[in-house]
Amino acid sequence: EVQLVQSGAEVKKPGESLKISCKGSGYSFTSYWVAWVRQMPGKGLEWMGIIYPGDSDTRYSPSFQGQVTISADKSISTAYLQWSSLKASDTAMYYCARPGDPDYWFFDLWGRGTLVTVSS
Amino acid sequence: EIVLTQFPGTLSLSPGERATLSCRASQSISTSYLAWYQQKSGQAPRLLIYGVSSRATGIPDRFSGSGSGTDFTLTISRLEPEDFAVYYCQQYGSSPPTFGQGTRLEIK
Repeated sequence: EVQLVQSGAEVKKPGESLKISCKGSGYSFTSYWVAWVRQMPGKGLEWMGIIYPGDSDTRYSPSFQGQVTISADKSISTAYLQWSSLKASDTAMYYCARPGDPDYWFFDLWGRGTLVTVSS
Repeated sequence: EIVLTQFPGTLSLSPGERATLSCRASQSISTSYLAWYQQKSGQAPRLLIYGVSSRATGIPDRFSGSGSGTDFTLTISRLEPEDFAVYYCQQYGSSPPTFGQGTRLEIK
């Protein structure tokens, strides 16, 4: 089965670091980009950035550049999203998603999401 | 970046009715790179339409997309109870890809 499996919910304090994961299976992980999408509570979808696991080419939305780091380990078919110092405003659901076509960034495969809660 | 504005914000209709959702871009979207997603409460988004009018795998033909340039439409011909959800448009013709703010389709 083609799927993206995300790591579980996290509760963190402001200033802490965090790395969440997204494991792809059932397809050639190195042949498709993997994107991260934020959804703050009760709000819409925001594209954060994307990585091509084949060569680790990474692109960021200007809104998220410098705020997060996207990486991948192709040996275990896993992409990551990490923060070095969390803020309360990072509280959100984070989805990973795979484009339906390697060359076009619309997303036909989604993980179930990782809920990140940042609270003192 | 391209800003997508969806309207109306909320649409109240009854099962069996026709729904028309709009998405307007701040600048022309190249080569029809516009997609639509459905998101139900507590679930991940689901791709409905890509390339303005191509239905994704398994999407019923009551869903259709149209438009060009800066104005795009998602039409649901006859609403089923499971269609009441939030709908997002997304452009992928210009980097960064961007989403609209969503239209909530609710039961009247």
